[in-house]
Amino acid sequence: AQKVTQAQTEISVVEKEDVTLDCVYETRDTTYYLFWYKQPPSGELVFLIRRNSFDEQNEISGRYSWNFQKSTSSFNFTITASQVVDSAVYFCALSLHGSGNTGKLIFGQGTTLQVKP
Amino acid sequence: NAGVMQNPRHLVRRRGQEARLRCSPMKGHSHVYWYRQLPEEGLKFMVYLQKENIIDESGMPKERFSAEFPKEGPSILRIQQVVRGDSAAYFCASSTGAGLAGNTIYFGEGSWLTVV
Repeated sequence: AQKVTQAQTEISVVEKEDVTLDCVYETRDTTYYLFWYKQPPSGELVFLIRRNSFDEQNEISGRYSWNFQKSTSSFNFTITASQVVDSAVYFCALSLHGSGNTGKLIFGQGTTLQVKP
Repeated sequence: NAGVMQNPRHLVRRRGQEARLRCSPMKGHSHVYWYRQLPEEGLKFMVYLQKENIIDESGMPKERFSAEFPKEGPSILRIQQVVRGDSAAYFCASSTGAGLAGNTIYFGEGSWLTVV
């Protein structure tokens, strides 16, 4: 069975603090993608990153960075020097792409991040 | 998520009425997914469609819910005889395909259904 766990339900930080959002996934497939999406208070889902299972390189995009570790089945997301505009719900998701899979996303429950001024 | 168009953004229906939610995928995308986000919950997969075909409907409730993606026009998620428990945000997403390459899935802004 496939599963994504975001153990942190809510996180509150003060502006300029660094914050890491945890994501642990379960799958027996060897071919899969991992995603992070942001859902700001306005409600839309904003794509942040996609990672395939064969690429364990960490990625940095501005203040955002992602740490993919297959050994621990984790795909953690760090925001450096957080800002109030980062306040949102963040979802980690998994999709399978081996034979017979349709690429549908399996989402974690989400982590609500509140950044206080 | 630019380009995946959903309408209406907000819809209010009385119990027993029908709700129709529309989704136009991004240009060049032929694969559409529908997800539901119940209050205080994460997103759950409902159905995956390609043009004129339902590929995977394993997440669709067995009754009252249907989806289509005709050759021409938007994908439609239809909920008949709505009940209060159908109140949720319904998200449409599109992609170029389910293969290894190019399968970033982009979401629309969602349609919020409220059943009164």
